[in-house]
Amino acid sequence: GAVVSQHPSRVICKSGTSVKIECRSLDFQATTMFWYRQFPKQSLMLMATSNEGSKATYEQGVEKDKFLINHASLTLSTLTVTSAHPEDSSFYICSAPFGGMETQYFGPGTRLLVL
Amino acid sequence: GQNIDQPTEMTATEGAIVQINCTYQTSGFNGLFWYQQHAGEAPTFLSYNVLDGLEEKGRFSSFLSRSKGYSYLLLKELQMKDSASYLCAVLDSNYQLIWGAGTKLIIKP
Repeated sequence: GAVVSQHPSRVICKSGTSVKIECRSLDFQATTMFWYRQFPKQSLMLMATSNEGSKATYEQGVEKDKFLINHASLTLSTLTVTSAHPEDSSFYICSAPFGGMETQYFGPGTRLLVL
Repeated sequence: GQNIDQPTEMTATEGAIVQINCTYQTSGFNGLFWYQQHAGEAPTFLSYNVLDGLEEKGRFSSFLSRSKGYSYLLLKELQMKDSASYLCAVLDSNYQLIWGAGTKLIIKP
């Protein structure tokens, strides 16, 4: 089956620094990838839709200048959390559709802790 | 607005059967998913229903009634490893996944 990877799996950083999270589709091409955030004991919240070769589409309430998304190739999307603060600490998960939008493959997630 | 409701937490006994319900109100419908999520991990796909009826897959079955905006996930012969959160998600008319808050299932020996 299709595989999506994320890197890093876990990151701890100081407040004010920027963190880049990579999402890769390993054995298929993805023109669209989705970025989610999940706080403890809550469901996944869609942050943005990453589109290869064009600007990302952000959900209401998500700051596009803070969460920079770059979908530079058909197999890679990156999410950069700029000037991270403790409230940005969360579990970030990406997904990519394969064989149709109803089939989503999730990356293993990246746990971000901002001190 | 779009809304997906499922119980916050359920407890069941090892070897028993448990049914997790999900009701939804969304703008359009292109299918309903059930995912399993263990603590600290990403969700893993369990089932996809787009037509009414029951889909059986081993110990897990999923049911959908589009007219009632209702689905359930049925887990049989419960095992300790089934302790996890179970997420209901609906693909809306824009092919966006709308997620429920998840049901934490606790399995007791």
